[in-house]
Amino acid sequence: GENVEQHPSTLSVQEGDSAVIKCTYSDSASNYFPWYKQELGKRPQLIIDIRSNVGEKKDQRIAVTLNKTAKHFSLHITETQPEDSAVYFCAASIINNDMRFGAGTRLTVKP
Amino acid sequence: NAGVTQTPKFQVLKTGQSMTLQCAQDMNHEYMSWYRQDPGMGLRLIHYSVGAGITDQGEVPNGYNVSRSTTEDFPLRLLSAAPSQTSVYFCASSYGAGSYNEQFFGPGTRLTVL
Repeated sequence: GENVEQHPSTLSVQEGDSAVIKCTYSDSASNYFPWYKQELGKRPQLIIDIRSNVGEKKDQRIAVTLNKTAKHFSLHITETQPEDSAVYFCAASIINNDMRFGAGTRLTVKP
Repeated sequence: NAGVTQTPKFQVLKTGQSMTLQCAQDMNHEYMSWYRQDPGMGLRLIHYSVGAGITDQGEVPNGYNVSRSTTEDFPLRLLSAAPSQTSVYFCASSYGAGSYNEQFFGPGTRLTVL
């Protein structure tokens, strides 16, 4: 089955700096790569996703890039704010079935 | 819409007891799934369903059973609880099986097995 690795496990940045979280996947058949944000004590929520036929996608301050050849994808958050502090999870699947998640990255944005 | 609901929010079991975690959605979603979340291990898929009457195993199915008799409900049964099943359980659903649609998560059930 699919295996997703996520780095780093913790990330601390100053407010206004950029944050980058990286994931690799093992199954070349995977074609859907969502990112979820989970605030403390809350449920995960989708923040951005990308399909395998697209190399990059942006939504305001967040962007995701995908390198199918290397089987890795990354989340980029620019101009970080304290409310960006949360745990971020990457995931990979074939369409949205049997989705496998990375172990998560705890992002702390220091004011 | 209530979205995805889960009951109970908290549960304490003794080793060997059985119980059912309830999950319901009112969005007419075809796809439903169960995950467990353990510290440092992310979300791991237990079972999923692409429609009523159809279920399949995920990454960590052992010790759990599911059924999907209606589109709305997807209960998760623990047959004989073990301390290793202490975790937070999330149910999720999305519109259309075999699609690229967002999964919506329920609020979670925190289970402790003594």
